Amino acid sequence: SQQGEEDPQALSIQEGENATMNCSYKTSINNLQWYRQNSGRGLVHLILIRSNEREKHSGRLRVTLDTSKKSSSLLITASRAADTASYFCATDLFGAGANSKLTFGKGITLSVRP
Amino acid sequence: KAGVTQTPRYLIKTRGQQVTLSCSPISGHRSVSWYQQTPGQGLQFLFEYFSETQRNKGNFPGRFSGRQFSNSRSEMNVSTLELGDSALYLCASTRPKGADTGELFFGEGSRLTVL
Repeated sequence: SQQGEEDPQALSIQEGENATMNCSYKTSINNLQWYRQNSGRGLVHLILIRSNEREKHSGRLRVTLDTSKKSSSLLITASRAADTASYFCATDLFGAGANSKLTFGKGITLSVRP
Repeated sequence: KAGVTQTPRYLIKTRGQQVTLSCSPISGHRSVSWYQQTPGQGLQFLFEYFSETQRNKGNFPGRFSGRQFSNSRSEMNVSTLELGDSALYLCASTRPKGADTGELFFGEGSRLTVL
């Protein structure tokens, strides 16, 4: 099974509402990253949180990491229609070395209704 | 700064043929990795190259191969295509810093359809 598993699989909200997406993983990590993908396009990096960090902010994004529970959450505040996309968490496994390999979850489809 | 460029963007092949996909990383990025994305399996790591050497390989059959050139451009090849190889192939580049894998910069992908 996947190292990273996101929850929920799909989320539909109204513009202006907050969107919370969760990710769980199985083994120790160096860092956890969130990416966004618009339909059929490449992935865009959103935020990276290291294993010794608990919370990080970037604009309307807030990411938390709980290494004891092996879980992370991504909060998008004041969502916009342009936030409609698929969101993936990706983990850099501890001890894997600097080999640029991330293990991705299956993604969350976020729909923001205008 | 130009982003990661992948060519071709779309291609259609038939079973048994082979295909070569190209990736030009961001200038200064010496690490190039490849991922396969399908609706059923999601994003799966194929391999990663750094300074023309394959450093890591995913769990794919030998029909999938790659290489990197001295200018960091990379190609991946799939031989004897199967219907299940239909996918979006994504290339990503990065400038490794320390022991962690940092932010990956992805291209728009090459959409391969095998008939």
